[in-house]
Amino acid sequence: RKEVEQDPGPFNVPEGATVAFNCTYSNSASQSFFWYRQDCRKEPKLLMSVYSSGNEDGRFTAQLNRASQYISLLIRDSKLSDSATYLCVVFSGGGADGLTFGKGTHLIIQP
Amino acid sequence: DVKVTQSSRYLVKRTGEKVFLECVQDMDHENMFWYRQDPGLGLRLIYFSYDVKMKEKGDIPEGYSVSREKKERFSLILESASTNQTSMYLCASSLTRLAGGYEQYFGPGTRLTVT
Repeated sequence: RKEVEQDPGPFNVPEGATVAFNCTYSNSASQSFFWYRQDCRKEPKLLMSVYSSGNEDGRFTAQLNRASQYISLLIRDSKLSDSATYLCVVFSGGGADGLTFGKGTHLIIQP
Repeated sequence: DVKVTQSSRYLVKRTGEKVFLECVQDMDHENMFWYRQDPGLGLRLIYFSYDVKMKEKGDIPEGYSVSREKKERFSLILESASTNQTSMYLCASSLTRLAGGYEQYFGPGTRLTVT
């Protein structure tokens, strides 16, 4: 069974700090990776896609470590509005059943 | 902006009722998905469709069926609702990327309660 593991948290982080959390995956043939954020009682929203070694978008950086089979999400200069649950999604090929969702990491940014 | 809409935000149904959940997307995406999300279990794929009239079972299709008669619309049907189908139902759509995977856009969800 394909597995995607995330630390559920919560991560309590002061505003302005840098925070990073990892997502480990079991299938070494995994091809692409996605980070979504989900606010309480809302739908997941795509944050970043990673097709090679990593991706950066403003304060957010995703890095892929294929040797150790994990992908990380780094948030710099964290803001109160970054408080959310971050879902890791791994695609291992085939159809949509090749997508595996992690259960998410809960992040709380404190003033 | 991609927009995915779902027919209801909240729905309460009785055991044994037939339930229809509708999803519409306006970005001409070929792929559409139905998930349910439960505390502690994360998102689980029920069905997906990669073209009109095409459907594939996901991880938990039992008790559900789907219909895709038009590209923009994907319906989830609970033939005879049961209490264990109480959940948040999320619809998503995406293009197919040559690089692999699906960048999904989700609807706001339908919170279904079966009593």
